[in-house]
Amino acid sequence: AAGVIQSPRHLIKEKRETATLKCYPIPRHDTVYWYQQGPGQDPQFLISFYEKMQSDKGSIPDRFSAQQFSDYHSELNMSSLELGDSALYFCASSIRQGSNTQYFGPGTRLTVL
Amino acid sequence: AQSVTQLGSHVSVSEGALVLLRCNYSSSVPPYLFWYVQYPNQGLQLLLKYTTGATLVKGINGFEAEFKKSETSFHLTKPSAHMSDAAEYFCAVSLIIQGAQKLVFGQGTRLTINP
Repeated sequence: AAGVIQSPRHLIKEKRETATLKCYPIPRHDTVYWYQQGPGQDPQFLISFYEKMQSDKGSIPDRFSAQQFSDYHSELNMSSLELGDSALYFCASSIRQGSNTQYFGPGTRLTVL
Repeated sequence: AQSVTQLGSHVSVSEGALVLLRCNYSSSVPPYLFWYVQYPNQGLQLLLKYTTGATLVKGINGFEAEFKKSETSFHLTKPSAHMSDAAEYFCAVSLIIQGAQKLVFGQGTRLTINP
């Protein structure tokens, strides 16, 4: 079965640079979520989109922005990167109806030097 | 606010022994509860979920969990541990706010299997 696709899988950036992470949800899933997992931490919710509209916002820094496109893929844009942004970034997708079970992608490991 | 507490950041069992990973939640409304597993350097894989109906939920790889409302618990068990079960396990509760949903995770439990 098709899964959530994230690209790139690994990304190395310098401080103050920008990064763009991409997420392709499972076909027919209409909702996308972004989570950040720091080293040894549990995943923290950043932001979610439903039908291309932001549906909820968590602990996402103002330096970060995200959007969902007409084909339902989503991009997380990160600017003025800081050392503390080094983390694993997960995208998850779901169908809004019913239990809304979220299925996670493999993650993008961002390292800021 | 909803939250999840996983008792024990590290659990170690012998191969073939019972696995018990504890999860307690707090929620003002009936929750949806999930267990995810994370293998080293990999993403989160859904093990099982409780939404409504039967309180004993069976998942993949021989795991199961029981929703106990009176105890606000959703402990994960497996009768006989296998070496391949070594991983990080996360319990999560879903929050539904104005139709959206986000997961709130527990701190995670690292399961080690001893040969």
